[in-house]
Parts: sequence; C-alpha cells; structure tokens
Amino acid sequence: DAGITQSPRHKVTETGTPVTLRCHQTENHRYMYWYRQDPGHGLRLIHYSYGVKDTDKGEVSDGYSVSRSKTEDFLLTLESATSSQTSVYFCAITPTGESNTEAFFGQGTRLTVV
Amino acid sequence: GDSVTQMEGPVTLSEEAFLTINCTYTATGYPSLFWYVQYPGEGLQLLLKATKADDKGSNKGFEATYRKETTSFHLEKGSVQVSDSAVYFCALSSNFGNEKLTFGTGTRLTIIP
Repeated sequence: DAGITQSPRHKVTETGTPVTLRCHQTENHRYMYWYRQDPGHGLRLIHYSYGVKDTDKGEVSDGYSVSRSKTEDFLLTLESATSSQTSVYFCAITPTGESNTEAFFGQGTRLTVV
Repeated sequence: GDSVTQMEGPVTLSEEAFLTINCTYTATGYPSLFWYVQYPGEGLQLLLKATKADDKGSNKGFEATYRKETTSFHLEKGSVQVSDSAVYFCALSSNFGNEKLTFGTGTRLTIIP
C-alpha cells in the first residue's frame, strides 16, 4: 500500500471556524491532490500541487486554500467552514504528471460542518 | 471540458451473475481511462486502466475496453462475488500534463449470496 496518511480521519466543526486537513506521504511523489467526494458528484478536484510551493486550483477551489512546504506534506485549509463543505476529503498522489499514471489515495477525512 | 457519464446505481446482483457498468466520456485529445474501486471505509484504488484506443484493461476478473468510436469504457465481469461489493468509479485523464483525474459519479454495487 502506498504510504499516504490523512489526518484527522473524522472531524466535526462549527460554521465559521477554520479547519486544516493534512496529507502526509512517504513515497516522495511529486504530485499531490485534494478531492472532495459528494453523493451524485463522484470526486471533484479542489487543488493540486506539482512540487514544493507549486500549487494550482482545481474544479471546486472556492473557499479552500492549500500549502506545500515539504514534499511529503500537503495541507488543505478551510478558512471559514460552511455547511456546504461537509464532505469526505481524499488526498491522492502520483509520481509524475503523465496522464497514464496510477493515482494512490488516502483513506479519507470525513468532515462535518454544523 | 472533460466529463465522464457513468451508469446510475445502485446495482444489486446475485452472486455469479454477469456485471456490466456503463461508462462514456467526453474529452479532447486521447485520454487515459481508468476504473477505480472503493471498498467500504477505504480510499479509492485502481482496478484497471487503458491508455489508448482498443486497449483492454483487466484485473481480478474485471475487464474494460477503450472504445474510441463510441467514447466508452464499460466495466464487465463474468461472475461476480460477494467480495466485489463496492463503489466503482470511471475516470479519465487527458494527456496535457499535470494528470488530473475527472471522475464519474460512481456506481454502488451490492452482491447478494
């Protein structure tokens, strides 16, 4: 199994509070991604990183920011959580940016905003 | 933009039945196509992939053929088992660098003994 650890695995937070989710990898892969999974939508890309300090927006980036100060860590921050951000969040990694590359996923973080 | 349309679920089958989950796509260029599977409480894992037209991906008895003429990548298995119960996602990645997967909505499959 690819070495990907997401923390926390579950979190309940109040509307308006900041939340940071962490993805840690031990594979030394260059690319890291944050997705959210919602019923009827599958997985949608929030942000991704193609190297330390190199990040870009995905399909549903509004309300989210990311940081990558080390190869192994990719942080997702909700500056002010809203109920629409209740979701399951998955981190993924790939060794390259080529289209035929397998992505490896973490076990997910279930976030509930009340 | 890229999109993936996947068979609506949930799907319930008896053990040893034949399985088909339909998947069609819209993409520019020549994307790579994937099926990922998510078992309860876990993240997604790659089931199979195909990277060019007419390629057949296969794994664990599952197969899917990349059909460019019909823009399809249907998942099939001849005889399903209870252990195949999971959510299945069709996905594509366009060949423009910075691989970003576009997923279908997922199909929940339940196999009953």
